[in-house]
Amino acid sequence: KNQVEQSPQSLIILEGKNCTLQCNYTVSPFSNLRWYKQDTGRGPVSLTIMTFSENTKSNGRYTATLDADTKQSSLHITASQLSDSASYICVVRSGTYKYIFGTGTRLKVLA
Amino acid sequence: AAGVIQSPRHLIKEKRETATLKCYPIPRHDTVYWYQQGPGQDPQFLISFYEKMQSDKGSIPDRFSAQQFSDYHSELNMSSLELGDSALYFCASSFQGANTEAFFGQGTRLTVV
Repeated sequence: KNQVEQSPQSLIILEGKNCTLQCNYTVSPFSNLRWYKQDTGRGPVSLTIMTFSENTKSNGRYTATLDADTKQSSLHITASQLSDSASYICVVRSGTYKYIFGTGTRLKVLA
Repeated sequence: AAGVIQSPRHLIKEKRETATLKCYPIPRHDTVYWYQQGPGQDPQFLISFYEKMQSDKGSIPDRFSAQQFSDYHSELNMSSLELGDSALYFCASSFQGANTEAFFGQGTRLTVV
């Protein structure tokens, strides 16, 4: 069964600190992996997209890694800001049409 | 840049009523996806369309139907609404290709009372 699991389920950090979110997937066939940020009640916004051959990709303070052998991905947030408080969702594209959503990590950044 | 437009943003319906949600994809995108997200849950895939044909089907109830029109916009029709249908309904669009982005709309919040 195609699954995308994320950890931790929720996370609270102080402003300015770094954090790392994990994503483990068992999806076949694998096309690519995306990290999305979703503010409450709003649509997910793409942060990064990782293909099979990519190991690391950065987007500002966000750095995503992908290990296709172990089927794991991580999203590292550097120097967190209050506006980073949101849900972070790992989404794996399987084949052409299917996107499988992870369980999400709810991040809360405190002043 | 143009984004995925969904309408309405909010909708309140009574049980057993019918609702129609609309999704206007990013120009030149040919694929549309519909997702349902219950409170505190991750989005569940409902159905997708590519070039106006259904391309994949997920956990869409039989009471729901959807289609993609010639201008690539899509509509999700929901009949005999139940309280459990209350959720945020997202539409996403992409241009066909293995590594293209899927862009999401802001969602329609449906409340069934």
